[in-house]
Amino acid sequence: NAGVTQTPKFRVLKTGQSMTLLCAQDMNHEYMYWYRQDPGMGLRLIHYSVGEGTTAKGEVPDGYNVSRLKKQNFLLGLESAAPSQTSVYFCASSYTSGNTNEQFFGPGTRLTVL
Amino acid sequence: AQSVTQLDSHVSVSEGTPVLLRCNYSSSYSPSLFWYVQHPNKGLQLLLKYTSAATLVKGINGFEAEFKKSETSFHLTKPSAHMSDAAEYFCVVSDLRGTYKYIFGTGTRLKVLA
Repeated sequence: NAGVTQTPKFRVLKTGQSMTLLCAQDMNHEYMYWYRQDPGMGLRLIHYSVGEGTTAKGEVPDGYNVSRLKKQNFLLGLESAAPSQTSVYFCASSYTSGNTNEQFFGPGTRLTVL
Repeated sequence: AQSVTQLDSHVSVSEGTPVLLRCNYSSSYSPSLFWYVQHPNKGLQLLLKYTSAATLVKGINGFEAEFKKSETSFHLTKPSAHMSDAAEYFCVVSDLRGTYKYIFGTGTRLKVLA
């Protein structure tokens, strides 16, 4: 049981390049999330998904796109990378029940845009 | 609307002395509240969670937190700090409706002095 995994762990891009970050979970969770972490700002929600085939914008969605074609995978795309997108990206997934909604986090992807 | 405020961005304690990390929240509904810890260059680990079952919540590694509705607080404490507790700590609020999104505080960096 691997939990939440992220690919790649590190990446360096040049301005204008594109890339896709992959998140996979093996816990059969319905909900999945993408966050970015910047110093002094905590984690901010980029996009999220409440089920296969559905996505929605979070707090900071500009410059990113997502897809959830399979329940276990949630992809985050950068079509034209900018230096402002240099950050650490975390994926999370969660189950929901009547009184709890704990999220489980991946190990993160450190992205540098030059 | 929900929000969370971590009152201290940095806290320093001596090894063996108590730890207090402060968190205040705002929520329109009955919230779920969480504390996560992040060691340098690592992912997020759940310390403890409040889900309305009991106001005093015990977590891993000797940490605990008390939910005080009248004060809208969820402060994290530990009786005796250990060097391995040095890390960044995040308070998180989430509602139990709709998208179950997390709202992160900006983090408190705990330094433990020998």
